[in-house]
Formats: sequence, C-alpha cells, structure tokens
Amino acid sequence: ETGVTQSPTHLIKTRGQQVTLRCSSQSGHNTVSWYQQALGQGPQFIFQYYREEENGRGNFPPRFSGLQFPNYSSELNVNALELDDSALYLCASQDWYQETQYFGPGTRLLVL
Amino acid sequence: DQQVKQNSPSLSVQEGRISILNCDYTNSMFDYFLWYKKYPAEGPTFLISISSIKDKNEDGRFTVFLNKSAKHLSLHIVPSQPGDSAVYFCAASGGGATNKLIFGTGTLLAVQP
Repeated sequence: ETGVTQSPTHLIKTRGQQVTLRCSSQSGHNTVSWYQQALGQGPQFIFQYYREEENGRGNFPPRFSGLQFPNYSSELNVNALELDDSALYLCASQDWYQETQYFGPGTRLLVL
Repeated sequence: DQQVKQNSPSLSVQEGRISILNCDYTNSMFDYFLWYKKYPAEGPTFLISISSIKDKNEDGRFTVFLNKSAKHLSLHIVPSQPGDSAVYFCAASGGGATNKLIFGTGTLLAVQP
C-alpha cells in the first residue's frame, strides 16, 4: 500500500511568483486536505477536496486555490506569493467515511 | 482563538519511565481526537485516536485518555524509549461541516537514555 506522497520536497520562490504543489493520496482514499505549518506552530487547515469539489476552507485568502483529479490526487496553487507564505505545506488523505487523516512528508516552501 | 491547546512546549523524561502529554480544547462539538508524532523534515505520523463516546483507548505502549467534562485529553507512553523523541501534536475534528483537523502547537518530547 502506497502512502501519501508530495512533490517537490523543497522549493524556493520570490515574492509575487506563483507556485503549484502536488499530492498523491494513499491508495483507497478519496478525500484530500491541505495544511500549512509555520515554524513553531501546528498545521493550519487550508481546504479539503472530496470528489473533485472543495469541501470546506480555512481562513486563507482566495490566492490559495486547489484541484482534485479523478484519481484523487490534488494540487495546491498559491498566487502572488508573500514572504509569510514560507512554511511547510502538508497534504493529508483519508477515506471520506473514516476520521483519521494520513499525512505526506510535506513540501518546504521558502519565499524570498 | 485557539481551540486546541498544548500548554507544555517541551517535556523531558528518562528512558523506561512514563511520558504524559496533555491537551485541552474549548469546542464541545469536537467528537474525535488524534495524536500525531512528527520528526524533523517529515510529515506527522498518526499514533492513536479516540472517539468522544469513549474515555480511553490503548494501543501497545500508547494510551489516550479523554475527560469530556474537563475538555482535556492526555497521551501516556509507557515505557518511554529514545526513539519516541519527537514533537507530538494533539488534533481534534467534528467542529464543523468538514472533518478538518484543528491542531495544537505541539509538545517536544525528549527521552533521555
């Protein structure tokens, strides 16, 4: 059974640029959530996708957007990058009818 | 407004002794609680969970206790091992339309050999 994978592992961008992060969900999971973890903080919920539709969003601006594909993989897009967007971005997958979310290794984004 | 709080940023215990990590929450709508362990440069790893209809769940060396009246849960690790040294996050779900997780800020556990 393949776990949650994310790419890339690390990324450096400059302010104002756009970035796309990718996530492959664990086999059998149809729901993907994205989280942002700033240094010294717990992960903060960005949004969740189920059946290719956004199913809930945290307190993040519209320049954070996402997609889920028919194979349940997902993308997180961030436009107009700001310095405060520097963080670890985590993807988690789950079966819709189960409570436990399983996390990938994360993508470390640095905005200069 | 932090709905899940871990008030101890760090904890140090001796190998073989018990580690107790604590977590408090404010939202009485939460109905499922989880503990994750995180090593540097890795994603959180699921450890153990508990539904609000229970007050205890055990899995090997790990036991989670839930006190709903006090809105408090704790993770007990017995016996503690050096490999348990990591950041532990408490998380809760069930407070809204999605099953999003609300995390605490984490507790760094150091198990001394």
